[in-house]
Amino acid sequence: EDKVVQSPLSLVVHEGDTVTLNCSYEVTNFRSLLWYKQEKKAPTFLFMLTSSGIEKKSGRLSSILDKKELFSILNITATQTGDSAIYLCASTLSTSGTYKYIFGTGTRLKVLA
Amino acid sequence: GAVVSQHPSWVICKSGTSVKIECRSLDFQATTMFWYRQFPKQSLMLMATSNEGSKATYEQGVEKDKFLINHASLTLSTLTVTSAHPEDSSFYICSASSRRNSNQPQHFGDGTRLSIL
Repeated sequence: EDKVVQSPLSLVVHEGDTVTLNCSYEVTNFRSLLWYKQEKKAPTFLFMLTSSGIEKKSGRLSSILDKKELFSILNITATQTGDSAIYLCASTLSTSGTYKYIFGTGTRLKVLA
Repeated sequence: GAVVSQHPSWVICKSGTSVKIECRSLDFQATTMFWYRQFPKQSLMLMATSNEGSKATYEQGVEKDKFLINHASLTLSTLTVTSAHPEDSSFYICSASSRRNSNQPQHFGDGTRLSIL
């Protein structure tokens, strides 16, 4: 059964802390892994990872994929209260000429001032 | 960036009513649209995938006759919850992609909160 597991489920930190969010996956016909940030409404796209060992970076956020060990991490440095959100990891898998996402349970991050 | 508009954002209606939710891609042609359901404090569960001009592909356990999906154009897909009951109350989110392969990320609408009384 295809699945994506995220840890921790929730996390509370103080501003300025660095956090690491984990995502492991077991999917057939894996294509890519994505990270999204969900605040109150729509998830917003952060990263798409397809190759192992290549870090993607955007400001204080960075992510990397390990296709051998089947996991990815999302790092956030110097956290701010605006980083408080649910972070969703999704694995893309190919199916019948198209594709779909399998989402993890998400990590709920709370950053305290 | 790519914009997906979902309407309405919030619906409250009586049991037995049918409710239609629209998902529009505003600045790109969405060959594929996806419909998800999200329960409180849970992740997104894919309900169905729809490709423009063809029938939707439903995930296991999702009733096709209950959740009608139409994707008649490259910018619009609709989800109709037929004869809605309280257990259908949930947060429904659509997403859209400009390709049928996975090279482009999905872009999400703001979701529709459906409450059935």
